[in-house]
Amino acid sequence: EVRLVESGGGLVKPGGSLRLSCAASGFTFSSYNMNWVRQAPGKGLEWVSSISSTSAFIYYAESVRGRFTISRDHAEKSLYLQMDSLRGDDTAVYYCVKNRIAGSAAPFDYWGPGIPVTVSS
Amino acid sequence: DIQMTQSPFSLSASVGDTVTITCRASQSISGLLAWYQHKPGEAPNLLIYRASTLESGVPSRFRGSGSGTEFTLTITNLQSDDFATYYCQQYSGSSRTFGQGTKVEIK
Repeated sequence: EVRLVESGGGLVKPGGSLRLSCAASGFTFSSYNMNWVRQAPGKGLEWVSSISSTSAFIYYAESVRGRFTISRDHAEKSLYLQMDSLRGDDTAVYYCVKNRIAGSAAPFDYWGPGIPVTVSS
Repeated sequence: DIQMTQSPFSLSASVGDTVTITCRASQSISGLLAWYQHKPGEAPNLLIYRASTLESGVPSRFRGSGSGTEFTLTITNLQSDDFATYYCQQYSGSSRTFGQGTKVEIK
C-alpha cells in the first residue's frame, strides 16, 4: 500500500523558515518523480514544485521560486521542501504527491493527508 | 508557464443530472490533462488522465474529452457522492498547473 506522510508543518513568523518532510512507503520511491501541492484557506489547489527521480530536473511555481527548495533522499525514502522567506500567502495545507507512472509526463495518483503551514506574526 | 482556465466556478445540480465542466489551456498540451475530485478534509482523487482515460476504480459516469487546448469533464447520472470540487491539471510543460476548480453543489 502506498503511503505518503508529511511532517514539519506548523506556525512560523513572516520571514521565517520551515522544512517539510514526506516519508514514502509502499512503492519504489527512487523510480518516481515527486511533487508538492498546496491549498490555501478557501482557495484551490496550487502546484508548488516537482523533482525528477534522479533529482536532475527540478521545477518551481513562480510564486515560490527563489524561496523554496525541493529535495529528496532515496536512502531515507523521503521528500523535502525547504521553505525560506515565508510570507502570509504561503499559509496553506501542503501535500506530498506521487506521479502516477515513472517518468515526467504523468498525473498525480497518490497524495499524503496534507500538513498545515501557517505564516503569521 | 501554461495557464489553465476552468469554468464554471460553481454549479448547482440534482441527483441524476448531467453536468459538464470545461477547461482551457493557454497553449496546446498534447492531451496531457488530468481531472481530480476533491472533497473537504480528504486528499484529491485522480479521475481521468490523458484527457479521456478513466483511472482504475472510477465509475464510468465520469467521462473526459477534448484535445488541443479545450477539454471537458462530463458527469452523467450525478450521484450524492459526486458533490465535490473538481480540478483540471495540465502535465505537459515543466509546471503542473491546476485550473481554478469547479464546486458542484446540491440544488
